[in-house]
Amino acid sequence: DGGITQSPKYLFRKEGQNVTLSCEQNLNHDAMYWYRQDPGQGLRLIYYSQIVNDFQKGDIAEGYSVSREKKESFPLTVTSAQKNPTAFYLCASKGRVYTEAFFGQGTRLTVV
Amino acid sequence: ELKVEQNPLFLSMQEGKNYTIYCNYSTTSDRLYWYRQDPGKSLESLFVLLSNGAVKQEGRLMASLDTKARLSTLHITAAVHDLSATYFCAVGGGADGLTFGKGTHLIIQP
Repeated sequence: DGGITQSPKYLFRKEGQNVTLSCEQNLNHDAMYWYRQDPGQGLRLIYYSQIVNDFQKGDIAEGYSVSREKKESFPLTVTSAQKNPTAFYLCASKGRVYTEAFFGQGTRLTVV
Repeated sequence: ELKVEQNPLFLSMQEGKNYTIYCNYSTTSDRLYWYRQDPGKSLESLFVLLSNGAVKQEGRLMASLDTKARLSTLHITAAVHDLSATYFCAVGGGADGLTFGKGTHLIIQP
């Protein structure tokens, strides 16, 4: 079945560690997105990519990095520079412009 | 900067009642999206509204779009417990993604 797969579902990070969240899609979508969701808040855009080997900063990119080496994959690294990383992270992909975005199941990241 | 405001942010209602969630946005757009999120889960697409005057219905939910007023509504008819969730509207949908409202947390009580 076509869809978006995020892993892991839960992730724990120690202070000073970098961690990488995986996002894979088999929908043949060109555009992929990373959003962050905090309790009681909407979704805020971290990074997005419209084509392979190209990506753009969103509204809250500081402390995060991404790569887009393959159309299917858009991993997000939460670096030690992100001082408050505890949140729910959602990856999405989209086909043609002005169609809806489809979301993965999310990764819940907790700092321990 | 595009801003999306939903109200109310929290709504508790009884089964069988009708209610409307409002979504206002700050800049011109003729694309609006409604999503549902269950606790701890991802977002599920409900409606895509692509033009002024668009109306879509699915079961007890109906969404409409007025691009001149920059307003979308999500109307719930004869609410049932299974509709309890958080509902988000989002605007945009160009290559740079969607801008979301803060969501409306809806609780439907027997």
